[in-house]
Amino acid sequence: QKEVEQDPGPLSVPEGAIVSLNCTYSNSAFQYFMWYRQYSRKGPELLMYTYSSGNKEDGRFTAQVDKSSKYISLFIRDSQPSDSATYLCAMSASSGGSRLTFGEGTQLTVNP
Amino acid sequence: DTGVSQDPRHKITKRGQNVTFRCDPISEHNRLYWYRQTLGQGPEFLTYFQNEAQLEKSRLLSDRFSAERPKGSFSTLEIQRTEQGDSAMYLCASSPAGSLGRYGYTFGSGTRLTVV
Repeated sequence: QKEVEQDPGPLSVPEGAIVSLNCTYSNSAFQYFMWYRQYSRKGPELLMYTYSSGNKEDGRFTAQVDKSSKYISLFIRDSQPSDSATYLCAMSASSGGSRLTFGEGTQLTVNP
Repeated sequence: DTGVSQDPRHKITKRGQNVTFRCDPISEHNRLYWYRQTLGQGPEFLTYFQNEAQLEKSRLLSDRFSAERPKGSFSTLEIQRTEQGDSAMYLCASSPAGSLGRYGYTFGSGTRLTVV
């Protein structure tokens, strides 16, 4: 069993829709949770970061972490065609900068 | 400084050949990471350096793989006797120490390796 599971999609939505992306994990030591966005032929870029349980909002993006359920989510409001990309969840047990464990990514297409 | 730079962007090699990739991190970042990403999968950790010291290696990093960061600046990843299963995107990332939460990693655009 993988430590981090993510629905690979693909997910296709109309412009303006609310998008929900989710990951589950099995390692209870994970405390740092991130969402990365990856455009085609590019490296991942950090979108959101959350420490432990709770919510964090940044513009149209909201990240939620429920450690009791080992479940994290990313919500995108008013989705735009420019949001079309692969979204990767990532987790770490340490803030000290060691390895991240990634989900397999969800490919999102927002149609105009 | 425009970010993490990786060279080459693409490499096609014949099975059995050796290949070497280079990564230039953001200059003030003392941590450097290598990941491998295959099609439709998330990046998988290979190894990381703090300055010139290699602090952690994944079991994915077989004896055919070696990474160096000789002066704590750029890093190289060498694959000896390449196999078709080595075909992947090799991503380099860097970060300041202790800043995972605040800054995350900055990834390069990767080197895409195709072994034929």
